Amino acid sequence: GQQVMQIPQYQHVQEGEDFTTYCNSSTTLSNIQWYKQRPGGHPVFLIQLVKSGEVKKQKRLTFQFGEAKKNSSLHITATQTTDVGTYFCAGLGTSGTYKYIFGTGTRLKVLA
Amino acid sequence: DAGITQSPRYKITETGRQVTLMCHQTWSHSYMFWYRQDLGHGLRLIYYSAAADITDKGEVPDGYVVSRSKTENFPLTLESATRSQTSVYFCASRAGTLNSPLHFGNGTRLTVT
Repeated sequence: GQQVMQIPQYQHVQEGEDFTTYCNSSTTLSNIQWYKQRPGGHPVFLIQLVKSGEVKKQKRLTFQFGEAKKNSSLHITATQTTDVGTYFCAGLGTSGTYKYIFGTGTRLKVLA
Repeated sequence: DAGITQSPRYKITETGRQVTLMCHQTWSHSYMFWYRQDLGHGLRLIYYSAAADITDKGEVPDGYVVSRSKTENFPLTLESATRSQTSVYFCASRAGTLNSPLHFGNGTRLTVT
């Protein structure tokens, strides 16, 4: 079945440093979504990527979807303490399914 | 989001007992999902539903039962709870269009002793 892996599992950065998390799917994806979960909270939708090679930006966050639509990345420039949390990617397969399979998540800790 | 609520927020139960986790959404979303979250495993899909009376298994369905007699409710039942089912459970819903985002409830932290 479809599997989605994320690396790294954990990342500690100094405030102001950049951060990147990578998402890899075992199968081609129809689209991919990114979510953020603050400590003790629930996942909250950030963005969706649909097109091959697509790049989207949200302020300091840059999201990319690979050309083969099997991988994606989230890059945060100049991290802030408010960026703390776990970032998940969620992929939708191409087989007509409507279920999103989540990656294992990357937990980001920002040291002030 | 206030539109999707889960209850209870916390639950402690004993091994072998049946327990039901409730999920209610007010958006009339077609799709509803149950995920469990465990350290190192991220969010794993248990069951999902495309509409009332339509449900399907996810990645880890064993030991769970769902029903969806009404669009707004999607209860998850652990028929005979085991310690391995200790987890945080999230319910989510989304609209019918394929690219709609998931909206999550606040979660239920379940401990099986």
